[in-house]
Amino acid sequence: EMQLVESGGGLAQPGGSLRLSCAASGFIFSSHWMHWVRQAPGKGLVWVTRIDYDGSTTRYADSVKGRFTISRDNAKNTLFLQMSSLRAEDTAVYYCAKGGFYGMDVWGQGTTVTVSS
Amino acid sequence: QSALTQPASVSGSPGQSITISCTGTSSDVGAYNYVSWYQQHPGKVPKFMIYEVSNRPSGVPDRFSGSKSGNTASLTISGLQAEDEADYYCSSFASGSTWVFGGGTKVTVL
Repeated sequence: EMQLVESGGGLAQPGGSLRLSCAASGFIFSSHWMHWVRQAPGKGLVWVTRIDYDGSTTRYADSVKGRFTISRDNAKNTLFLQMSSLRAEDTAVYYCAKGGFYGMDVWGQGTTVTVSS
Repeated sequence: QSALTQPASVSGSPGQSITISCTGTSSDVGAYNYVSWYQQHPGKVPKFMIYEVSNRPSGVPDRFSGSKSGNTASLTISGLQAEDEADYYCSSFASGSTWVFGGGTKVTVL
């Protein structure tokens, strides 16, 4: 069974940093692009960033460009999201998802990030 | 990177058909056949329902169908059932090799 498990969420102060992880299992991790998608409380899904198979190409939403960095460790089947200069509006559930051009077919259960002083 | 436009809510009676629209631009929906749809029940993880405009992943009932015309994609649910009550989101691959989601549509089964 394909599975994604996020971790690393929690409370961060404005201007602070947090690193999210996403452990993958049940599929060949190194063969798939990966995404992070977030959902603020009571709001819709928002695409954040994606990384290609070997980490050589990344793309970001304008709202996080320059503040967030996506990376992956294919040897450990793990995806990361390094978040810095956090703002209140970054408060959300963060989902990692497996996908490509076709969309995002496998989602993790999400990890909650709260940015507040 | 503006969000795709979806109606806030759509409703229908059991057995009826409903259609949810998803309007983008010539830089996303209109440019690529990479529109996907997701179903999300309250407090749950999004579920992959449609990919590449009109294809259903294994396990998705055939009462769910997708289409696209110009800059607008659509999701149709035929034979509406109580368990279809949920939020639905469209998404599209976009220029710059990014993705964009719609704002979401709440489907209510009357």
